[in-house]
Amino acid sequence: AQSVTQLDSHVSVSEGTPVLLRCNYSSSYSPSLFWYVQHPNKGLQLLLKYTSAATLVKGINGFEAEFKKSETSFHLTKPSAHMSDAAEYFCVVSERGTASKLTFGTGTRLQVTL
Amino acid sequence: GAGVSQSPSNKVTEKGKDVELRCDPISGHTALYWYRQSLGQGLEFLIYFQGNSAPDKSGLPSDRFSAERTGGSVSTLTIQRTQQEDSAVYLCASRGAGGSYEQYFGPGTRLTVT
Repeated sequence: AQSVTQLDSHVSVSEGTPVLLRCNYSSSYSPSLFWYVQHPNKGLQLLLKYTSAATLVKGINGFEAEFKKSETSFHLTKPSAHMSDAAEYFCVVSERGTASKLTFGTGTRLQVTL
Repeated sequence: GAGVSQSPSNKVTEKGKDVELRCDPISGHTALYWYRQSLGQGLEFLIYFQGNSAPDKSGLPSDRFSAERTGGSVSTLTIQRTQQEDSAVYLCASRGAGGSYEQYFGPGTRLTVT
């Protein structure tokens, strides 16, 4: 079985400050991990993915995430938040090497203030 | 190229009626997935099609839900005798062959059962 836990349902940061969205995973096999973003009334967009290569993964819009097996974590970071980053973020896990279903976390709503 | 498309974008139906939701995957994508996004349940997997293999129906919540994929392309999700708890956004995703295993999502169909 696989699961993800997003530790914060809501995060608020000021524009220009760092962003940290936390995710822990549980998997009985080597996982693939993803972060998706959903802007209001928009579809899900892939931010970045970890499959088996470098543990530090860079994605779109300046986001990156680090796979830490010892901590079973895959936290999402960005050095400097922008107003356009305000959205819902989902940490997602699937079984690596297969086309199996995605298991989503409950989401973290990121608010960016002036 | 065109992404995943879904129709209708919004559907309002009366309790007890049947509804059909359509998904057009990205051309050439071999795998197709249906997910449901609701306030109480978050994002949950419903069903998965891969080529000519038998679909993985493990996420369907009841026998009122069914889906088919014709010709390895377009898919239809059918909900019979709709209930108010079926109100949600139904998302379709497709995935191509190869090793990336990322899924591309459509904009969703918002279903409201009155």
